[in-house]
Amino acid sequence: EDQVTQSPEALRLQEGESSSLNCSYTVSGLRGLFWYRQDPGKGPEFLFTLYSAGEEKEKERLKATLTKKESFLHITAPKPEDSATYLCAVQEASGGSYIPTFGRGTSLIVHP
Amino acid sequence: DVKVTQSSRYLVKRTGEKVFLECVQDMDHENMFWYRQDPGLGLRLIYFSYDVKMKEKGDIPEGYSVSREKKERFSLILESASTNQTSMYLCASSQIQGATNEKLFFGSGTQLSVL
Repeated sequence: EDQVTQSPEALRLQEGESSSLNCSYTVSGLRGLFWYRQDPGKGPEFLFTLYSAGEEKEKERLKATLTKKESFLHITAPKPEDSATYLCAVQEASGGSYIPTFGRGTSLIVHP
Repeated sequence: DVKVTQSSRYLVKRTGEKVFLECVQDMDHENMFWYRQDPGLGLRLIYFSYDVKMKEKGDIPEGYSVSREKKERFSLILESASTNQTSMYLCASSQIQGATNEKLFFGSGTQLSVL
């Protein structure tokens, strides 16, 4: 069973059509939750880190939120340049290892 | 900004060849990682290193080995390449564990094809 599950796997939006991506996790204690953006043929780029339930972070049209079981990446009035794969990763607090576990990603396409 | 450089963008190798993938980071990071990324499977950790000459197995180490002789360089070695090792390989680095923001910095990736 995956510790980190992202949904949907793929999402197609029209330009300006707001939506949300979901990342649910099952680790026993959360040290940090990370969002990355990955463009085709490139490595992932860091977007946000969230540490505790109720925390929110914003960057341009993106807003990340965190609860005790999941995180949402809200995209407001998206543009075609927001098209990318968005990856969520979770760091578990227990066990002594800080290696993040990644979800499988959500592929977002924004049509003009 | 941190820069993580992978030596090759594309590689084509033959089955049975020994393959070296090189990665260099320029921000004095302690941690370095090798992932492979396959469609539908996401990022899977092969090996990581938290110090020079130290290495730890990740989730899928079989068929791979690593070398970290210098802090800035982390090499992934495929001892005898097989077709099921065709994949995108991503190197990453991060600050020491316990830092306030342990985000990963990724290289651009190496697309390896084993024929």
